[in-house]
Amino acid sequence: GQQVMQIPQYQHVQEGEDFTTYCNSSTTLSNIQWYKQRPGGHPVFLIQLVKSGEVKKQKRLTFQFGEAKKNSSLHITATQTTDVGTYFCAGPGEYGNKLVFGAGTILRVKS
Amino acid sequence: NAGVTQTPKFQVLKTGQSMTLQCAQDMNHNSMYWYRQDPGMGLRLIYYSASEGTTDKGEVPNGYNVSRLNKREFSLRLESAAPSQTSVYFCASSALRQAAFFGQGTRLTVV
Repeated sequence: GQQVMQIPQYQHVQEGEDFTTYCNSSTTLSNIQWYKQRPGGHPVFLIQLVKSGEVKKQKRLTFQFGEAKKNSSLHITATQTTDVGTYFCAGPGEYGNKLVFGAGTILRVKS
Repeated sequence: NAGVTQTPKFQVLKTGQSMTLQCAQDMNHNSMYWYRQDPGMGLRLIYYSASEGTTDKGEVPNGYNVSRLNKREFSLRLESAAPSQTSVYFCASSALRQAAFFGQGTRLTVV
C-alpha cells in the first residue's frame, strides 16, 4: 500500500533559524496536504498542493510539490516560538479516498 | 459552528472492558476517519468511511469495529480493550480529496 515518509523526525532550532521538513511518497500523489499540530492539540490543516512543481507561501511558510508529484517540502523562514509543534504531510490513498499521513516532524524552537 | 465533535475527551478502561468513541460532524462531509496517535508513530488510520453505509479498514484495524450510523456520525468501538490500545484517538472528516478537519481527540488509557 501507499507509504508516506517524512524526515527529519525531530528538529530543535534556535529562534530565527530556518527549518525544513521533507515528505516522500511511494506512489504519485494527486495532491498533498500539510497539517500542524500544537503540543496537546489536534492536527490543523495548513494547505493543499495539487499541481506538479507548485509552490505556495503563507507568510514565513513555503510549501513545494515536486515535479514528479511524489515529494513535497515545508520550509519555515526565521522560526518563532509560535512555530513549535508537529508538522505532518498527508496524501490521498490509491483511489483518492483514504488520507495517509507521514510520521510527522516535531519542531522545537529555543528562544 | 461545531465542526467535528468527539466524546469522551478522556477515558480510563480496565483490560477487557468495552467502549464506544463517538464522533459527529456538521460540515456535510462524505468521508470520515478514525486515527490513533502514539509517540513517534504519527497518525495511523484505523478505519475509514467514504459515505454512509460504507467502511474500510486502514493500517491498524485489529481490535476495533466501526459504524457509520448516518452521514454525520461515525463511531469506533473497542470490544475488549487491551493495554496496547492506550493512545490518543482522533476522528476527522473531509470532502473527497479536500482538507480534513479533526476533532479534539480522546485520550484513552487501558490499565
